[in-house]
This record gives sequence, structure tokens and C-alpha cells, in this order.
Amino acid sequence: DQQVKQNSPSLSVQEGRISILNCDYTNSMFDYFLWYKKYPAEGPTFLISISSIKDKNEDGRFTVFLNKSAKHLSLHIVPSQPGDSAVYFCAASAPSGSARQLTFGSGTQLTVLP
Amino acid sequence: EAGVAQSPRYKIIEKRQSVAFWCNPISGHATLYWYQQILGQGPKLLIQFQNNGVVDDSQLPKDRFSAERLKGVDSTLKIQPAKLEDSAVYLCASSLSRPGLAGGETQYFGPGTRLLVL
Repeated sequence: DQQVKQNSPSLSVQEGRISILNCDYTNSMFDYFLWYKKYPAEGPTFLISISSIKDKNEDGRFTVFLNKSAKHLSLHIVPSQPGDSAVYFCAASAPSGSARQLTFGSGTQLTVLP
Repeated sequence: EAGVAQSPRYKIIEKRQSVAFWCNPISGHATLYWYQQILGQGPKLLIQFQNNGVVDDSQLPKDRFSAERLKGVDSTLKIQPAKLEDSAVYLCASSLSRPGLAGGETQYFGPGTRLLVL
């Protein structure tokens, strides 16, 4: 039972254009969402996050949008650069007893073509 | 600031052998996590420590996996005996958060240990 889904395993975009990565979730208890970027042979690196009380968060070229009613979030990268080529994981956070847990999607491989 | 350290980076073993992974979290981070990432999937939480106590180990296959966090700092994850399906990348992460902290938390990941079981 995948509670966080990234339905596009891969995405190719031309340098300078917008990259849009999508993520859907099913658990209404998720109240915080994060995007991580992963290069080969490295661990995931935190990119940007958003609380469920917001619908948008922006950090430089990266913007995350949250649509709670649709249980959908997206990551926009503008403009895309070749160095953005990596696997992007969507993650959702919910309270779990006395702790908080992250549930990850399966990732989207972004390739930015020069 | 030093990141999360893990060793070894790669390990190849035969099935039914045992293996251990080591993690040193970011200094001052109270919470430590072990994840298993199978090829083509996202990381899956195995166990979560708060200082040296286990907060959640509901997804840890306890018949073969064990983990400890010594003095609330370093941690080791052990598999004994290993199975073919244990081939994966084992990621360690740490965060500053404390149990019950409202809102989100940022987990910082190490480079991972890639395990191949033959």
C-alpha cells in the first residue's frame, strides 16, 4: 500500500525550461511534505519543504505547491539546469506515536538536457 | 559541519552470512534513522532512535535484523543471517527533532552502504 506515489519514473527537460515533478498521497494524517534530491552513490539531500497549512513555498529556483483537497503536491524548477539532473523523492511526514515518520515515494529521475 | 558518516560504502557477502553497518550522525542530532532502499524504490524506514532509545522499529525484520545506538551517538545495524532479498542500499539519517515536535523535520542522510547478497 503506497501512501506516497510518484507516478512518473522519469522526466526529460530542456535546459532553461521548467521542470514539474508530481507527487500524490493518500494518508490525510500527513501534515508536512519534503522534496529530496539524490545523485548517484550519494544519500538524499534535502531540497525544500512545505507545511500543510500552506499551499506554496518558494526557495530560489525551486517552488513546491500543495493541493490538500486533491492530496497532490508538485515541485517546479525554473529555470532547469543540467546540474539539476538527479532522482527526486517526495516525502510526507506524519506523527507516529511519540515520534514523526517520513514516508517516501519511489522517485522521479530528472534529466536536464543541455 | 560534518555530515552523517557511514561505513563501509560497499559490502558483498554470501547468503546466510552476517554483516554490520556503522553510522555516525551529525553532532548534536538526537534522532537517528536507518532506512533500506531497494533499487527503484524510495527509502523505507527500518528503525528510529531518540538518543539511545528505540522510538519505532515496527518495520524492522527482527528475526534477522538488529540495531543499537551506543551512548546516544553512533549506531550499528546488523543482519544475521542475510538473505538474497536484503540486497539494497542502507541509509542512515539524523535530525535535531525531538519526539512530539510539531511540524516538519529535516533529516540529513549519509552516503549509504550498498549491500549485495549472493
